[in-house]
Amino acid sequence: DTGVSQDPRHKITKRGQNVTFRCDPISEHNRLYWYRQTLGQGPEFLTYFQNEAQLEKSRLLSDRFSAERPKGSFSTLEIQRTEQGDSAMYLCASSSIRVMNTEAFFGQGTRLTVV
Amino acid sequence: AQRVTQPEKLLSVFKGAPVELKCNYSYSGSPELFWYVQYSRQRLQLLLRHISRESIKGFTADLNKGETSFHLKKPFAQEEDSAMYYCALSGSGWGKLQFGAGTQVVVTP
Repeated sequence: DTGVSQDPRHKITKRGQNVTFRCDPISEHNRLYWYRQTLGQGPEFLTYFQNEAQLEKSRLLSDRFSAERPKGSFSTLEIQRTEQGDSAMYLCASSSIRVMNTEAFFGQGTRLTVV
Repeated sequence: AQRVTQPEKLLSVFKGAPVELKCNYSYSGSPELFWYVQYSRQRLQLLLRHISRESIKGFTADLNKGETSFHLKKPFAQEEDSAMYYCALSGSGWGKLQFGAGTQVVVTP
């Protein structure tokens, strides 16, 4: 599968623990996005990278959240001191910089459950 | 503030009947509009975008700037059209998407 891949697919954690998710975008894509989706809602934008630079962060991304894309390839999203409200599907997407508003390709997502 | 509204949470139609999914948006500039679809156990994928003016899988969508709408239509629904459909808006130029809450379409034989 040469699409966007995310790991793990599912994560159950206890409240207060830290979790880290990984996203591997399509190899030639410079842009990488993280979204969060809760039950009954569409995906909500969290943050955006162009190569290794994090260019925008949503207000949804509290201080407990941090995202990195150290070499402009894969990205990680870390949530510290998880809360029950963090339970959601975390989606990663990537697209090419060559064309404005080009199609974003999504991964399968990581479903986080905080108990 | 930009917003995407999909007023229907669920649409249930019979096979062969027309289907229309409503999408209204608010945005001060000239956004790009998309429809994304998620079939059962599959990832979110692009169905169509307004600038391409294509018909994909029999679906079409017309951007009506006066009514700020981008409704998705198909004249004859098929069972394989059963899925979750999301309308999305991008105004930034670099691909950030604002999604609606989604409409679940169920096509019954």
